[in-house]
Amino acid sequence: QQPVQSPQAVILREGEDAVINCSSSKALYSVHWYRQKHGEAPVFLMILLKGGEQKGHEKISASFNEKKQQSSLYLTASQLSYSGTYFCGTELRAGSEKLVFGKGTKLTVNP
Amino acid sequence: KAGVTQTPRYLIKTRGQQVTLSCSPISGHRSVSWYQQTPGQGLQFLFEYFSETQRNKGNFPGRFSGRQFSNSRSEMNVSTLELGDSALYLCASSYSPGPTGNEQFFGPGTRLTVL
Repeated sequence: QQPVQSPQAVILREGEDAVINCSSSKALYSVHWYRQKHGEAPVFLMILLKGGEQKGHEKISASFNEKKQQSSLYLTASQLSYSGTYFCGTELRAGSEKLVFGKGTKLTVNP
Repeated sequence: KAGVTQTPRYLIKTRGQQVTLSCSPISGHRSVSWYQQTPGQGLQFLFEYFSETQRNKGNFPGRFSGRQFSNSRSEMNVSTLELGDSALYLCASSYSPGPTGNEQFFGPGTRLTVL
């Protein structure tokens, strides 16, 4: 039931792009994305809901393919501040009781 | 607005002991969720409390318990500690219960080391 994130790690140079994927073996209602910098608390990035609704307060682009049971996070023109571990959390149905998080994707952006 | 606070930030215990961790949510938030974070498993849901009631519990043994007080502050307790309980314990608060449509605000965590 735990979603699978890929890649596990990625190293970029500043200005390069990256895509982080989150795949589930079950149909999803929503996908939540969080970023955790080393030694800090995870910070909310975005929620993508079935039907196309999105909710987020960061200028990050993401998609949710309900048929493929997959979400992708697009990091374009990466900045040093993008470095951290990105987690997706999946919700199987509206009103479900919990998020199930993937193991994370570690992103390193170098100058 | 103050963020989620967790105390203590670091704990070292020995096997067999018990431990209590505390979490104070953002003012006005009535939901508190607890997670265990380890390098191998990532973030794993422990339980959620809303208005002093446990709404849901993850797949953890009964040694893990929690409670929530009327001011929404929450505590989690781990009894008979095992080496495998070494982890970062995170709490997260939100205004409404459950994850549907809800942004969760995480605290900095308590790093528990069991020797």
